Amino acid sequence: DGGITQSPKYLFRKEGQNVTLSCEQNLNHDAMYWYRQDPGQGLRLIYYSQIVNDFQKGDIAEGYSVSREKKESFPLTVTSAQKNPTAFYLCASNPEDRGPGGYTFGSGTRLTVV
Amino acid sequence: GENVEQHPSTLSVQEGDSAVIKCTYSDSASNYFPWYKQELGKRPQLIIDIRSNVGEKKDQRIAVTLNKTAKHFSLHITETQPEDSAVYFCAASIRGGSYIPTFGRGTSLIVHP
Repeated sequence: DGGITQSPKYLFRKEGQNVTLSCEQNLNHDAMYWYRQDPGQGLRLIYYSQIVNDFQKGDIAEGYSVSREKKESFPLTVTSAQKNPTAFYLCASNPEDRGPGGYTFGSGTRLTVV
Repeated sequence: GENVEQHPSTLSVQEGDSAVIKCTYSDSASNYFPWYKQELGKRPQLIIDIRSNVGEKKDQRIAVTLNKTAKHFSLHITETQPEDSAVYFCAASIRGGSYIPTFGRGTSLIVHP
């Protein structure tokens, strides 16, 4: 899957529940990112991490949390505080040396509130 | 911060026609402009990029042009084919900085056979 794997592909959440989306990469990339994609909205940055044990809020961080305990992994938790979580979530990584490939995206997780 | 505007939001063409998607950016410090193609239900993939020291770049049927003075850049697809149908995103960022690209809202390109 291009070296970056997201799971699950589809996820259903009941109101009031926290859910965690997985993102794993074997590209040895330093930087990892989470985006939310809604129709007509483009890609909006939720959180990003440029090194292990450090992460920064993006434009729409409210209701989300992340961790970066390992270089390979950057899980995203959608908390009950996120009032409208139904969306397509994309994880991405990028090499620190900013090589010509740029971003590599995962295949995404589609989260639906039921 | 950076603001990227992308137009049109939807573009419908006949097979064999050319398609042009335009983006403008606000931060004159931006120096790297990638374009991504996202097919339905799939992840975005980089198709071409351009740096600010270059005015045009081509790769087979696709090309990107950059006008730094006007702060706009465009994607050109010639001889369109049905498999070109997808959502295309432009982005602007600063290479050598934190490299957090700002994305446009996307253009849905539909190529009719």
